[in-house]
Amino acid sequence: AQKITQTQPGMFVQEKEAVTLDCTYDTSDPSYGLFWYKQPSSGEMIFLIYQGSYDQQNATEGRYSLNFQKARKSANLVISASQLGDSAMYFCASQGNNDMRFGAGTRLTVKP
Amino acid sequence: EAEVAQSPRYKITEKSQAVAFWCDPISGHATLYWYRQILGQGPELLVQFQDESVVDDSQLPKDRFSAERLKGVDSTLKIQPAELGDSAMYLCASSPNRAHTDTQYFGPGTRLTVL
Repeated sequence: AQKITQTQPGMFVQEKEAVTLDCTYDTSDPSYGLFWYKQPSSGEMIFLIYQGSYDQQNATEGRYSLNFQKARKSANLVISASQLGDSAMYFCASQGNNDMRFGAGTRLTVKP
Repeated sequence: EAEVAQSPRYKITEKSQAVAFWCDPISGHATLYWYRQILGQGPELLVQFQDESVVDDSQLPKDRFSAERLKGVDSTLKIQPAELGDSAMYLCASSPNRAHTDTQYFGPGTRLTVL
């Protein structure tokens, strides 16, 4: 079984600054993938970034990077140069042998 | 860019009525998922298909929910009868296969309100 914990229900960041959204996971699967999704108020889940459990380097996708610390079982999302359009819910997820489990999400608000 | 299609986007129904949701995955994706997302929570898996076969429906309330993917392409999720507690967002996702490395791509969702 897998469990995802996102301890920040809400976060605020000033436009153009960087922000880190926390995620810890617990899984018994030997191989797994870690994902971050963005959900704006429209409801669609938008894929942002992926990190494999055996990847040696942290994943990056444009302004998004994933700070993967396997020993600590953490997979924090870093958004650089925040934009007003980044305001949304952000979900961390872990996918193992059977299914994908999501955290409860963090609501990010970018202030102008 | 290929997308997952869902319809309808919004559905309002009265309790005890039947409702159905449709999903068309990205072409070539063998695995299709239906999730339910209650307001303020993360999505929870209801059912997972590999081609036309159900591989996981352990969280599907089978007394009132059913799902099918007859030809291994598009899929329908049905609720009969709907209850007040079924009000939620229903999300469909697809991935190339079931590998833990495969990204799931989501459709726009169907927001269901049961009155």
